[in-house]
Amino acid sequence: AQTVTQSQPEMSVQEAETVTLSCTYDTSENNYYLFWYKQPPSRQMILVIRQEAYKQQNATENRFSVNFQKAAKSFSLKISDSQLGDTAMYFCAFEYNSGYALNFGKGTSLLVTP
Amino acid sequence: GAGVSQSPSNKVTEKGKDVELRCDPISGHTALYWYRQSLGQGLEFLIYFQGNSAPDKSGLPSDRFSAERTGGSVSTLTIQRTQQEDSAVYLCASSWKENYGYTFGSGTRLTVV
Repeated sequence: AQTVTQSQPEMSVQEAETVTLSCTYDTSENNYYLFWYKQPPSRQMILVIRQEAYKQQNATENRFSVNFQKAAKSFSLKISDSQLGDTAMYFCAFEYNSGYALNFGKGTSLLVTP
Repeated sequence: GAGVSQSPSNKVTEKGKDVELRCDPISGHTALYWYRQSLGQGLEFLIYFQGNSAPDKSGLPSDRFSAERTGGSVSTLTIQRTQQEDSAVYLCASSWKENYGYTFGSGTRLTVV
């Protein structure tokens, strides 16, 4: 089974600064999908960004972008111009090509300070 | 509905009692997933439905846990003879197409006392 590792349990960043959250995974598959989810205190998980492993181009969604290094099995999330509303738990997740559920890391708690 | 709806949002039950947790997915979403999130932990996969069938039940922690889905829509997760270690947030998610990400509900916080 594949594993997803988030090595930073907690991180802090000042408002308007940039922060990068790390994620590594282990798989022998070639086709798969990677995701970052955000879980604010309201508890609802929100999809932040999605990356297809067969695409070399890094995904971007507004202030959120990823650095996908397939050979290194690394999938980090960069948040630019951090906002107070970005304070949340962030989960990295892996999904096989089809027929299997998402496998999540243990999460990184991000605090954005004024 | 507009989103994934879970009920109740909070449930306190006595050890040994049975509980039912309900998930109402987004209309038209054929896949439905249950996860468990314990304090300070990541999301633990429980079960996955495609339509009314469950191709993957591998995550159910014991035979006290069961789930069903009817009409390709509402799903119920049942925990029998609850134990204190069952205390957690139970999250439900649905998706319309594989590999495009899930839409999650707000979860049910279960506390077994």
